[in-house]
Amino acid sequence: EAGVTQFPSHSVIEKGQTVTLRCDPISGHDNLYWYRRVMGKEIKFLLHFVKESKQDESGMPNNRFLAERTGGTYSTLKVQPAELEDSGVYFCASSLEMRESTEAFFGQGTRLTVV
Amino acid sequence: RKEVEQDPGPFNVPEGATVAFNCTYSNSASQSFFWYRQDCRKEPKLLMSVYSSGNEDGRFTAQLNRASQYISLLIRDSKLSDSATYLCVLHFSGGYNKLIFGAGTRLAVHP
Repeated sequence: EAGVTQFPSHSVIEKGQTVTLRCDPISGHDNLYWYRRVMGKEIKFLLHFVKESKQDESGMPNNRFLAERTGGTYSTLKVQPAELEDSGVYFCASSLEMRESTEAFFGQGTRLTVV
Repeated sequence: RKEVEQDPGPFNVPEGATVAFNCTYSNSASQSFFWYRQDCRKEPKLLMSVYSSGNEDGRFTAQLNRASQYISLLIRDSKLSDSATYLCVLHFSGGYNKLIFGAGTRLAVHP
């Protein structure tokens, strides 16, 4: 069974450009999360989808970030316009249920570099 | 103050050594606790959940002290393959469903 897949694995863009990250969760997982790790810091929560609905977007840094999950399957995270401080690794995770004990499975991440 | 504090390390230990990592958290409402392992340039993977009664999985033992808001991970008989970053992770309660990560403790096991 395929795990959580993310695309692209790496992206280098110039400040002011737009980048769209994609996440395909494990099939059947209604819960999808975005996290990111900026250099030298801990991994931080961005938002949580349950199917196509945003359950919690309290971690989104600002309105330059837009996440969607149309149809409740894959999700995209768009950064527009990108700034230097957006550089980091963006992880997507999915889980079958919302219970605390349910394991979240992570994708390998997209390494974003804004120059 | 960070919600989850960990010693960043690195901990450099020889094969066969016993090593312990500690973690403190500030949010007393946290209900669930985990240790994740992250290899270099890879995704975090769940190592084990942490229970108040303490739990063991092979060479790994995790302990939770709610009164002191303290979590520990003990690794016995270290292997080269244990080299990784160990992340202390809380599940945030209160109607939400998100993980709060520590910055991680780096372990390097050498021959």
